[in-house]
Amino acid sequence: DGGITQSPKYLFRKEGQNVTLSCEQNLNHDAMYWYRQDPGQGLRLIYYSQIVNDFQKGDIAEGYSVSREKKESFPLTVTSAQKNPTAFYLCAARDGWNYGYTFGSGTRLTVV
Amino acid sequence: GENVEQHPSTLSVQEGDSAVIKCTYSDSASNYFPWYKQELGKRPQLIIDIRSNVGEKKDQRIAVTLNKTAKHFSLHITETQPEDSAVYFCAASNGNQFYFGTGTSLTVIP
Repeated sequence: DGGITQSPKYLFRKEGQNVTLSCEQNLNHDAMYWYRQDPGQGLRLIYYSQIVNDFQKGDIAEGYSVSREKKESFPLTVTSAQKNPTAFYLCAARDGWNYGYTFGSGTRLTVV
Repeated sequence: GENVEQHPSTLSVQEGDSAVIKCTYSDSASNYFPWYKQELGKRPQLIIDIRSNVGEKKDQRIAVTLNKTAKHFSLHITETQPEDSAVYFCAASNGNQFYFGTGTSLTVIP
């Protein structure tokens, strides 16, 4: 997985449920990001974290929450307040010294 | 904030021909411009990048050009092959976060 592991690969959520997507990295990168990908809309930033115990809202944070208790982990919770959560979710980490993003393999979330 | 526009949204070329994808950005503070390739159902992978102090960069069949004055940058793929078929994303970064274009779906016809 190139140092970033996302799980599960597929996730089904019932209406009104909260679900948590896992993202773990062993790259020792400080910055981590969550993106949502919808057809025809590219990648949109949900939340990002540049250091442990700190995170910032991205462009579409409403209905999502995150935590960053450990450098290696940046879980994303999709709450019941997110009205249209069906999408492909990508986690990324970045080495602050050379700018590059490394992406995880993604989680496809479907509301049933 | 930054706004990145990408064109075209779809592109079909014959095998062996060249493909060009163009992006524009709005924030003059952006200084790093990566390109990602995403195959169906897989993660985006970095294929080439360019920094604002460089006008052109080439890596085998792939090249990127940057025009800072006009705020646009382009991806050029020469001698296209069927395995080049994928969605390509451009991005612009000011060192804090990346702003992505909406993607170009490239199909190389054998």
